[in-house]
Amino acid sequence: DGGITQSPKYLFRKEGQNVTLSCEQNLNHDAMYWYRQDPGQGLRLIYYSQIVNDFQKGDIAEGYSVSREKKESFPLTVTSAQKNPTAFYLCASSIPGRDGYTFGSGTRLTVV
Amino acid sequence: AQKITQTQPGMFVQEKEAVTLDCTYDTSDPSYGLFWYKQPSSGEMIFLIYQGSYDQQNATEGRYSLNFQKARKSANLVISASQLGDSAMYFCAMREGRGDGGSQGNLIFGKGTKLSVKP
Repeated sequence: DGGITQSPKYLFRKEGQNVTLSCEQNLNHDAMYWYRQDPGQGLRLIYYSQIVNDFQKGDIAEGYSVSREKKESFPLTVTSAQKNPTAFYLCASSIPGRDGYTFGSGTRLTVV
Repeated sequence: AQKITQTQPGMFVQEKEAVTLDCTYDTSDPSYGLFWYKQPSSGEMIFLIYQGSYDQQNATEGRYSLNFQKARKSANLVISASQLGDSAMYFCAMREGRGDGGSQGNLIFGKGTKLSVKP
C-alpha cells in the first residue's frame, strides 16, 4: 500500500547535537511538507518542497534544514540552533486537488 | 491574524449523539478549500472531509458532514451518532488558491478541538 513512512517514531537528542528525521513516500506525490506540533498550538509549517531539488521556508524554519534530492524523500535536520526542539514532527505529501495532504505517523523528538 | 479559529479547546458528547465542532476562517481569496482532520492519540492525521469554496452543496462523508456557511466564513464539522472511537483531536484546515486557478497554497491549521465521547 502507498503511504508515508517516518522514522524513527521516538528520538532523543542531547543538547548541541544535530538530528535528522526521515520521511519517505511511495505515493508519487510532487509536494512534501514538514510540520511541527506543540501542545495547544496546532500544526506549524517548517519547510515545504513542491519539486525535487527545490524547497521553501515555512513559518518556523529557523534552526531546521531540509534537502530534496529524490522525489520520494524529504529528510528534516533539527540543528543545534533550534532552541526548543522538543515536539512532535509530522511529514506530509500532496498533489493538487481535493484530498489535502497525506500524513506520516510522526516522530516525537525529545531533548535530554 | 489567525486564519483558522477553533474556539472549543475541548468537547464532550454522549455516545450515539451528534456533535458539532466549530471552525471559522479568514481569507480574501475567492478560491480556497477547507479540510477536517482527525488525530487520535497515536498521532497520525486522518483526512475526514473536504469543502471547496465553490461547492454548492455541503460535503458529506458517512457520519461526517460539513456545515459550510460561506457568508459567515464558517465550516463546522458535524459528527452524527458518535462512537467511542471518535475520541480524538480534530483539526480544521484551509488551503488558499493562488487566484489563477493553478497552484494552491499550503495547508493552514487551527489549534484543534479535543473531543471526548462518553459511554
